[in-house]
Amino acid sequence: GAGVSQSPSNKVTEKGKDVELRCDPISGHTALYWYRQRLGQGLEFLIYFQGNSAPDKSGLPSDRFSAERTGESVSTLTIQRTQQEDSAVYLCASSKRTHRTNEKLFFGSGTQLSVL
Amino acid sequence: DAKTTQPNSMESNEEEPVHLPCNHSTISGTDYIHWYRQLPSQGPEYVIHGLTSNVNNRMASLAIAEDRKSSTLILHRATLRDAAVYYCILRDLRRETSGSRLTFGEGTQLTVNP
Repeated sequence: GAGVSQSPSNKVTEKGKDVELRCDPISGHTALYWYRQRLGQGLEFLIYFQGNSAPDKSGLPSDRFSAERTGESVSTLTIQRTQQEDSAVYLCASSKRTHRTNEKLFFGSGTQLSVL
Repeated sequence: DAKTTQPNSMESNEEEPVHLPCNHSTISGTDYIHWYRQLPSQGPEYVIHGLTSNVNNRMASLAIAEDRKSSTLILHRATLRDAAVYYCILRDLRRETSGSRLTFGEGTQLTVNP
């Protein structure tokens, strides 16, 4: 079966432009995460969706960042007015459910965002 | 949140065992120990997890100290494909939201020499 799919794989944009990054989770996975990974660093949590519950947005670094998810399917991460410090790999992960369970997370290959 | 400490890097030779250490001296009784690894240009992948007892699966073994303040991920015969960053993560399932997400540190960069 298909894994977590992210698009585009690479995105180059100019400072000040808006970008949308897409994540298709594994079918049937109710939990979905977005992480950011700057060059040579560990993963930084951004946002978490679990079914129809309110998302955990505690990791979003500023109000320029937002994410949506329709039901238990596709999610879009939007960055408005991009800055050079937004350059990073944006990783999406999904799992069957994670509320008080040890379900493993499955990650996509990420979107490499470069802001010029 | 309890924190983990790992060496920045380690080296191994192909077909030899590798022991990757992780210290978590402030671990709570309900923290599970998870390991993920990240191959070059890929997202992380799950390796193994445990609570108190040692665990084995097809990828690796997890040895947990009796006081749970440290653990070791064991790759029994390293291959070139095992070269990756290995992350040791604590996960407290009691917590409504923070227990659901995984907090990744810097991890250990494992180099496997042919």
